[in-house]
Amino acid sequence: DGGITQSPKYLFRKEGQNVTLSCEQNLNHDAMYWYRQDPGQGLRLIYYSQIVNDFQKGDIAEGYSVSREKKESFPLTVTSAQKNPTAFYLCASSIGAGGGETQYFGPGTRLLVL
Amino acid sequence: ELKVEQNPLFLSMQEGKNYTIYCNYSTTSDRLYWYRQDPGKSLESLFVLLSNGAVKQEGRLMASLDTKARLSTLHITAAVHDLSATYFCAVDGSYGGATNKLIFGTGTLLAVQP
Repeated sequence: DGGITQSPKYLFRKEGQNVTLSCEQNLNHDAMYWYRQDPGQGLRLIYYSQIVNDFQKGDIAEGYSVSREKKESFPLTVTSAQKNPTAFYLCASSIGAGGGETQYFGPGTRLLVL
Repeated sequence: ELKVEQNPLFLSMQEGKNYTIYCNYSTTSDRLYWYRQDPGKSLESLFVLLSNGAVKQEGRLMASLDTKARLSTLHITAAVHDLSATYFCAVDGSYGGATNKLIFGTGTLLAVQP
């Protein structure tokens, strides 16, 4: 079955620690995205990638970093510079990034700060 | 800066009744998406509207887009309990561009009562 997988489902971060969230897709999509969702709110774009080895900052990139070394993978690192990381993180992908392309979402990772 | 507003934020309705959720956005765009999110789950794509006057229907849900009024509506006909969820609209902020960057509304929590 084609789809998007995210791991882990739950992640706990200690103060000063960097953590990495995994996102993998086997849909052969070129574009991938990371969003953050806070309780009772909509999604906000963190980073997006239109093609391998290329990515751009979204609206709330500070304290986060990404890489896109493979088409199917787009990991997100939450660094210690992100002071309020507790949120639900959603990865998405689309066939392309040319506009009008539906974004399909993974199941999400909940990040909690200890 | 593109802003997307939904109303109402919360909607409690009885089974069998009709209602409409509104999505207003602040700058020019001709690409609008509706998603559904069940509690604790990811987002499911419902509709993609890509032109002025576009109308799409699936079961008891119908979505429309008026780009001149910068308004999309999601109409619910004869609601059933299974429609209880949070509904998000999202607008492509890259009008005329090619980045597929979505700006999400804050969501409408729909609770259908028996």
